[in-house]
Amino acid sequence: QKEVEQNSGPLSVPEGAIASLNCTYSDRGSQSFFWYRQYSGKSPELIMFIYSNGDKEDGRFTAQLNKASQYVSLLIRDSQPSDSATYLCAVNRDPNSGNTPLVFGKGTRLSVIA
Amino acid sequence: GAVVSQHPSWVICKSGTSVKIECRSLDFQATTMFWYRQFPKQSLMLMATSNEGSKATYEQGVEKDKFLINHASLTLSTLTVTSAHPEDSSFYICSAHRDPYNSPLHFGNGTRLTVT
Repeated sequence: QKEVEQNSGPLSVPEGAIASLNCTYSDRGSQSFFWYRQYSGKSPELIMFIYSNGDKEDGRFTAQLNKASQYVSLLIRDSQPSDSATYLCAVNRDPNSGNTPLVFGKGTRLSVIA
Repeated sequence: GAVVSQHPSWVICKSGTSVKIECRSLDFQATTMFWYRQFPKQSLMLMATSNEGSKATYEQGVEKDKFLINHASLTLSTLTVTSAHPEDSSFYICSAHRDPYNSPLHFGNGTRLTVT
């Protein structure tokens, strides 16, 4: 089983709709979760991070975490064509050890249709 | 603004030559930096963990003699692709935690390497 799994997509949504991106992870000890956006040919940029169960909102973005189900999601409200990108879910397996790399999913490609 | 700076943004080199990529943390000290590689339409793959003052830790399947990592200061890590071949053509990205323990990774802008 892969450590971090995402549906590769593409996920197509009309402009103004809510885009829902999902991610599951295998390591129950994971403590922190991150969503990155990557435009084609560019490096990833951080969108949100979440550490506790529940919802965390930042502007049009809401991250949701359910540790019991080992599931994290990202909702994008009022989707815009500029949101079209690949969204990467990342997990920190062992934050207490200090500097550790993140484990990334393969990403979900989102296409917002004008 | 950017917290990790990477240079160059792109480079084209001939097969057999070596290429050095620099990664700098801009306003913080990074005892550890991470080097990723991404082939077109594929996911980010961790290559190695760069440790200031000590040897880098390489992921399985990554040749340490081909991808030389030097982390000589708390703000600079370099990746040298030695004797580059066309199959080394890829997008190389460095990253670092601005703060340790549970913090996000910040990425440099990446280096597009093309080996002809």
